[in-house]
Amino acid sequence: AQSVTQLGSHVSVSEGALVLLRCNYSSSVPPYLFWYVQYPNQGLQLLLKYTTGATLVKGINGFEAEFKKSETSFHLTKPSAHMSDAAEYFCAVTRAGGAQKLVFGQGTRLTINP
Amino acid sequence: DVKVTQSSRYLVKRTGEKVFLECVQDMDHENMFWYRQDPGLGLRLIYFSYDVKMKEKGDIPEGYSVSREKKERFSLILESASTNQTSMYLCASSSRDRGYTFGSGTRLTVV
Repeated sequence: AQSVTQLGSHVSVSEGALVLLRCNYSSSVPPYLFWYVQYPNQGLQLLLKYTTGATLVKGINGFEAEFKKSETSFHLTKPSAHMSDAAEYFCAVTRAGGAQKLVFGQGTRLTINP
Repeated sequence: DVKVTQSSRYLVKRTGEKVFLECVQDMDHENMFWYRQDPGLGLRLIYFSYDVKMKEKGDIPEGYSVSREKKERFSLILESASTNQTSMYLCASSSRDRGYTFGSGTRLTVV
């Protein structure tokens, strides 16, 4: 079975500071990995995904993530936080087989301090 | 752009009622999913469908059923609503090359 662990249910950073949201996964097969963002009262929006190829993936809004197989990690970073980045972030991994079922982490709520 | 539309943003239902949550997608995606979202638990898969009239249970199917009579529509049914089904429900659709698209969610309160 596949699983995802997001370290830290709440992360708070100052505007302009580095954002680091941690995600570790377990998978018995090569994973596809995703980060989604959810703004208040909205659905989930894809930030970025890793399928194959380059392990450093760039997404929207200045976010990027690096797939590290040896560490089973897919941490999300942004060099300089903006107030508009305040949201909940979800890491997800595909399960083996069938219709692209996603397994989600518990979510990390990001707060940006002025 | 792909659009996934959930018919209601907010619903309040009474315990024991039969509840229908509707989801429609407009891009001919093969796969459709129902998740529930609860604080601290992330999103958990209730049911999914990979074709018309086809369905599979997810991680938490108890108390729920689904219907997919047409490719674009996937309904979640709470046979007899209970207070522990108060939650945010998210529908999604996907295709192999387009990935996932989520609806805006339905916040259901069972009183």
